[in-house]
Amino acid sequence: EPEVTQTPSHQVTQMGQEVILRCVPISNHLYFYWYRQILGQKVEFLVSFYNNEISEKSEIFDDQFSVERPDGSNFTLKIRSTKLEDSAMYFCASFRGHPNTEAFFGQGTRLTVV
Amino acid sequence: KQEVTQIPAALSVPEGENLVLNCSFTDSAIYNLQWFRQDPGKGLTSLLLIQSSQREQTSGRLNASLDKSSGRSTLYIAASQPGDSATYLCAVLRESQAGTALIFGKGTTLSVSS
Repeated sequence: EPEVTQTPSHQVTQMGQEVILRCVPISNHLYFYWYRQILGQKVEFLVSFYNNEISEKSEIFDDQFSVERPDGSNFTLKIRSTKLEDSAMYFCASFRGHPNTEAFFGQGTRLTVV
Repeated sequence: KQEVTQIPAALSVPEGENLVLNCSFTDSAIYNLQWFRQDPGKGLTSLLLIQSSQREQTSGRLNASLDKSSGRSTLYIAASQPGDSATYLCAVLRESQAGTALIFGKGTTLSVSS
């Protein structure tokens, strides 16, 4: 069964460093999302991406964050200067169509900022 | 602003019991509602997707209902097993002019003892 793949599974970084989280969505999917889950908290929407541009972003997704799909398969989330409060599980999700289709989530990247 | 609430936050039952997890949402302008399972430290696995025009969906021992007008959904698990132990998340796909995003509840953590 096709799946969404995220790498790395766990990343530890120093505060102030840049990190790039990578996702390979399911190949025929069109809509891509990033979510995060701080330990013990809700899964929160960060950004949605369609047709090579951001279609929506939350108030969490400030200037420190960016997304891109550099080569038609990978979908990346970059955090330019990490803060302690960026420590969380980051999930990538994709939808085949939109809006009434099932969401497929990756296994997540656990980001720890020290 | 769409808010999703799940009750109870935690539930412990002996194996074999039938149980009901509750989800409520504040804005009925949704495309669909999805139930997910999350194992500790893992990603999200979609269990059931109910379109806004539907009343229920079934998959094996799981049955989910949706009452869109009252902003409620229930997930019924029949004959619970220890392998059902996990956190169950409810999420609504909201309608929005700017785009759409899944809005999650905080989840119900289920523990089934043998």
